[in-house]
This record gives sequence, C-alpha cells and structure tokens, in this order.
Amino acid sequence: DAKTTQPPSMDCAEGRAANLPCNHSTISGNEYVYWYRQIHSQGPQYIIHGLKNNETNEMASLIITEDRKSSTLILPHATLRDTAVYYCIVSTTNFGNEKLTFGTGTRLTIIP
Amino acid sequence: NAGVTQTPKFRVLKTGQSMTLLCAQDMNHEYMYWYRQDPGMGLRLIHYSVGEGTTAKGEVPDGYNVSRLKKQNFLLGLESAAPSQTSVYFCASSWLAGGTYNEQFFGPGTRLTVL
Repeated sequence: DAKTTQPPSMDCAEGRAANLPCNHSTISGNEYVYWYRQIHSQGPQYIIHGLKNNETNEMASLIITEDRKSSTLILPHATLRDTAVYYCIVSTTNFGNEKLTFGTGTRLTIIP
Repeated sequence: NAGVTQTPKFRVLKTGQSMTLLCAQDMNHEYMYWYRQDPGMGLRLIHYSVGEGTTAKGEVPDGYNVSRLKKQNFLLGLESAAPSQTSVYFCASSWLAGGTYNEQFFGPGTRLTVL
C-alpha cells in the first residue's frame, strides 16, 4: 500500500472550513483514498473515501488532484466536535485484502 | 443495533498472565479486525478475519492468537502477557456481503495495562 504524508497538527476557527491535506505520491491505480478520524480516545470513525473523482457526503468533501498524488479533506463548517486526529489512508479494496494502515494523522484543533 | 462492542473496557494484568478480549458485532459483517494503538501512534493491525472460521496475520501478530468460531464474534488472546503489550486494543468489522467498499466500524476499545 502507498504511504501517506500529513501535517502533524492544524488549527481552524470554529465555523470556518477546515482543509486537511494529504500527500500520497506513490499511489497506484487501484488504490482508494480513505479518511477516518479519531475523537479523543474513541475508536476511529469513517468519514469519506474516493478513487479519482471528488466526493461529498454529509460529513465532508474529498478533493483528489488529477494526478492522484495528493488530496484534501474539507470540513465545510468546523465545530468544536470536529476536534480530532484525522487519518488519510491509501488502500485497495480487493476482496480478501481489506487492510488499512493508519499513520500518525493530523491533529485538528477547532478554536472557539 | 449496538454496532461493535468490546469486553472488557479496562484490564490490568501481571506479566505472564493470560486473558481473552471479546469483540462482537451485530451488523452481519464478513470481516473483523484487531488493532492496537500505543500512545501517540496510529493503529497497527494485529490479526484479521475474512469470514467465520478464518484468521490471518496482520502487521504485529507476535504474542497474540485469535479465533472466529462464530461470524459475529472475534476473540483476541494473550497467552503470556508482557509489558510491551500495554496498549489500547480496538476491534473493527466491515463488509456486508454484496457491498462495494470497505468502511470499517470500530468498537470503543479495551485499555490493557500489563505490570
């Protein structure tokens, strides 16, 4: 699986958009980009994933560059409850190979 | 619908003792996983299962054994606990048969301390 690089920490003002970058320059054609977050000491929570097209759901938007070497997770209106560690993960979804490799992620702090 | 539950929530062991962590899911998922998370680190995969009766090694399997006798349960065993196994253990499950992608659902974790 391709490795990812994320900034260790970021701050964002409450109500503003939080933009979390991720580099995955060695991503291969069949690998998806997943985002999970971990609030305090809870189990990680799935946010969104994508292959090559931009994706949006009720939680966030995922923007993937055309060359797929980087992506940005966007939380459109950050709240204090969005304070968490955010993990960018690259993985295939082949049957029987459903393994996610978590790095150290980005610690996002929402400032009141 | 409880999702993924883990038993116990906390445990303190002495070096050399054994214990079993239980993970249960009620979503009829095919895949189940055990991870460990050390302070300031990301999660690391210990073992996983792609179906009832199957298990496979992950990134850090040494010192652990697992069993998946029932589809809804995944057990993690420590035969002879060591201080290096002090960690928070997370269980996860994923993939409903016929599904198209691998969203993993995580349990609340078990905090284990080995003295």
